[in-house]
Amino acid sequence: DAMVIQNPRYQVTQFGKPVTLSCSQTLNHNVMYWYQQKSSQAPKLLFHYYDKDFNNEADTPDNFQSRRPNTSFCFLDIRSPGLGDAAMYLCATSITGLAGGRATDTQYFGPGTRLTVL
Amino acid sequence: GQNIDQPTEMTATEGAIVQINCTYQTSGFNGLFWYQQHAGEAPTFLSYNVLDGLEEKGRFSSFLSRSKGYSYLLLKELQMKDSASYLCAVAGSQGNLIFGKGTKLSVKP
Repeated sequence: DAMVIQNPRYQVTQFGKPVTLSCSQTLNHNVMYWYQQKSSQAPKLLFHYYDKDFNNEADTPDNFQSRRPNTSFCFLDIRSPGLGDAAMYLCATSITGLAGGRATDTQYFGPGTRLTVL
Repeated sequence: GQNIDQPTEMTATEGAIVQINCTYQTSGFNGLFWYQQHAGEAPTFLSYNVLDGLEEKGRFSSFLSRSKGYSYLLLKELQMKDSASYLCAVAGSQGNLIFGKGTKLSVKP
């Protein structure tokens, strides 16, 4: 089945130790997003790719980087995780970008990666 | 500023009907989404409204009034498995999706 896949589902890392989270999609969608969601809070957009075009949110810390080597894969790199970076990280995809006001802008989410920082 | 408001928690009884309200103030509007999120899982898409009116999809319906900056999600014939958080999200003019904090719905027998 076509889907958004995230690996691993659970990731434990040490304070300051770089970690990479991965997302892949079989939907062939143009846009891929990374969100951070802390407990009982709304998902917060970190950045998104429209094809190879990278769009960073203004308040995303420099500690967070992303790579999209091809249509199917997108990675979230956290260079020096702090205790405050412990959260669920959600990857999502959509056919088109967000500004069109069309149903094709619907975002489909992966199962998420829960990151613990020790 | 950009703001999306929805109640923090609601409780309802199995078999009943519940309405979850969402009000928004955003710079631009390109549609409103409702997502369901079970604890520890990713949000799953429920509905999309861009024009005023009611969209019905099985037991779930979503309503939008753009002039009032208001939407609601209506859940009928509640089942225990409907216990989850329901997220209201607005697509703003900058191409971003702004989420509310979610409404945690508890369905009791």
